[in-house]
Amino acid sequence: DAGVIQSPRHEVTEMGQEVTLRCKPISGHDYLFWYRQTMMRGLELLIYFNNNVPIDDSGMPEDRFSAKMPNASFSTLKIQPSEPRDSAVYFCASRDRELTEAFFGQGTRLTVV
Amino acid sequence: GENVEQHPSTLSVQEGDSAVIKCTYSDSASNYFPWYKQELGKRPQLIIDIRSNVGEKKDQRIAVTLNKTAKHFSLHITETQPEDSAVYFCAAFNAGGTSYGKLTFGQGTILTVHP
Repeated sequence: DAGVIQSPRHEVTEMGQEVTLRCKPISGHDYLFWYRQTMMRGLELLIYFNNNVPIDDSGMPEDRFSAKMPNASFSTLKIQPSEPRDSAVYFCASRDRELTEAFFGQGTRLTVV
Repeated sequence: GENVEQHPSTLSVQEGDSAVIKCTYSDSASNYFPWYKQELGKRPQLIIDIRSNVGEKKDQRIAVTLNKTAKHFSLHITETQPEDSAVYFCAAFNAGGTSYGKLTFGQGTILTVHP
C-alpha cells in the first residue's frame, strides 16, 4: 500500500476562496482523522470518522469547516470561505480498528493570503 | 473528553545527554499511550507506545514509563544524537468505551540535540 495519500501538497489561495483538501486512507482502515498543525496550537484533532461516519467533530473550529467521507477510500476537508488564520498544515491519518497505530499522510500546507 | 498536557515545549541538550519529555492525561479510562516523532517538514510517525497494563517499555535508546495512579507518562531518550532532533508528540487513547478511536495529542516538544 502507498500509505495515506493527501492532495494537494501545497495550496495557496486568497482570502474568501473555497479550499478543498483530499485524503485517501490506507485500504482497509476503519478510522480516518483530520488534524491541523500550527506552531501555536500543535496537532489539533478536527474530526474523525469510523466506517465513513463522522464520530466526533467537536474540534472543527467553526461552520466554515466541513468534512465528508463519501466512501471508504476518500475524504475531503472543505473550508469556505477561507481566512488567513486558517493557514496551517493539515494532516489526514488512518487506522485499522484492530490495531492502534495511526498512519499519517504527508500533509497539505495551506496558505491563505 | 481526554485532555493531554505535554512538557516541556522545547528541550535543548548536548549530544550524548539524556532527554525526558513528560505528559499527563485526564481520562482514567485511557489505556494506550503512543509517542510520535515528527522530523522537520515530514509527517508524524510512531516510535514507541505503551499500554496501561505495563509500567515501562524499552526499545534501544528510547523508553517510555507510565504511572497510572498519577496519570502521567514519560519518554526517555538516552545517548541523544543529532538525528533525534525533531518534534515529539505524546497521545492518550481509550481503546474501548464510548470514545473508542479518538486519538488526542499533546502540544508537542521541540527537541534539539547539539553536536
